[in-house]
Amino acid sequence: QVQLQESGPGLVKPSQTLSLTCTVSGGSISSGGYYWSWIRQHPGKGLEWIGYIYYSGSTYYNPSLKSRVTISVDTSKNQFSLKLSSVTAADTAVYYCARTGDGYTSDYWGQGTLVTVSS
Amino acid sequence: QSALTQPASVSGSPGQSITISCTGTSSDVGGYNYVSWYQQHPGKAPKLMIYEVSNRPSGVSNRFSGSKSGNTASLTISGLQAEDEADYYCSSYTSSSTPRFGGGTKLTVL
Repeated sequence: QVQLQESGPGLVKPSQTLSLTCTVSGGSISSGGYYWSWIRQHPGKGLEWIGYIYYSGSTYYNPSLKSRVTISVDTSKNQFSLKLSSVTAADTAVYYCARTGDGYTSDYWGQGTLVTVSS
Repeated sequence: QSALTQPASVSGSPGQSITISCTGTSSDVGGYNYVSWYQQHPGKAPKLMIYEVSNRPSGVSNRFSGSKSGNTASLTISGLQAEDEADYYCSSYTSSSTPRFGGGTKLTVL
């Protein structure tokens, strides 16, 4: 059973960089066949793709966030990470990591972590 | 990039059937058989209920079914149960490699 767990600060100051890590257990990122995604959900709102990474390091970012997003992978730790720079209150959301397969179907999700942007 | 169109809310009584629609374009829903549906209970992560339009992951009740006609996909829940009350989101592959979610539908079991 694949499990994903997000970790990182729950509070980030405006203009700073939000950094989250997703630790994968029960499966290996480097085995291939899947993308590893970050998805967020603003309070009371719908889901928004942030981007995804393949074990090889190839990435795809949502064009609306592309200038501020970096997703990286550490296969030795079976982790992938999200950095979102120059955050504002509009970036306050629950951030999920997920395993994504064919057709962008995400079959395993982390529990989500709330990140609040506030001074 | 706008979200796929879903009704904001639907409701039904226990035992009844309901259908949630998800409308896109020929560049997403209509162009590919990669529509997924997720169930999300309050405070919980989304759970995959349907993938590739009509396939159920292992462990998902056969009361959940999916279909597609043209640019509109649908999720049908039959034999409605109290535990089905949740938010439901559709998602689709797109020609621009940017996955799109629907805006979400709140299902109320009366």
